[in-house]
Amino acid sequence: GENVEQHPSTLSVQEGDSAVIKCTYSDSASNYFPWYKQELGKRPQLIIDIRSNVGEKKDQRIAVTLNKTAKHFSLHITETQPEDSAVYFCAASMEAGTALIFGKGTTLSVSS
Amino acid sequence: GAVVSQHPSWVICKSGTSVKIECRSLDFQATTMFWYRQFPKQSLMLMATSNEGSKATYEQGVEKDKFLINHASLTLSTLTVTSAHPEDSSFYICSARRAGQFHEQYFGPGTRLTVT
Repeated sequence: GENVEQHPSTLSVQEGDSAVIKCTYSDSASNYFPWYKQELGKRPQLIIDIRSNVGEKKDQRIAVTLNKTAKHFSLHITETQPEDSAVYFCAASMEAGTALIFGKGTTLSVSS
Repeated sequence: GAVVSQHPSWVICKSGTSVKIECRSLDFQATTMFWYRQFPKQSLMLMATSNEGSKATYEQGVEKDKFLINHASLTLSTLTVTSAHPEDSSFYICSARRAGQFHEQYFGPGTRLTVT
């Protein structure tokens, strides 16, 4: 089955800096890669996603890149703000609505 | 649109009792719902996939006789933790996939289960 590795497990940045979180997946059949932000005790919130027919997607300060050949994808957050502090999870799934397989998460801390 | 609710939001039960958690899609039909478990400071671990009108598919290592899943309608799936033990204490989160959509999943707010 699919296995998703995520790095780093913790990331501390200064406000205004950029943050990058990287994930690798094992199953070449996976073709949907969402990123979620989760605050303590709350549900994961989808912040951006990418499908395998696209190499990059951007939404304001957030961008995701995908390298299908290398089977890795990354989340980029620019101009970080304290409210970006949370746990971020990457995930992968295959066609036809199979379940999401999550990475272990990255705790992002943005200090002002 | 695409709101998923869970009930209860938190529950405390005694060891040996059973607890039922409901997951509802409020404004859409969900042909598939997923149940995840999340221990403190850990990731979401898929427990089972629930398809409306059929038996759930459990992930390896998840006891189907302990975690009973029923997906009786297009808007409701239930997870019953039978004979709960303290090690079952966790955050249980469901997600629902809208009928006709392949990828997007909408998460419920989660249920905090504490077994004493």
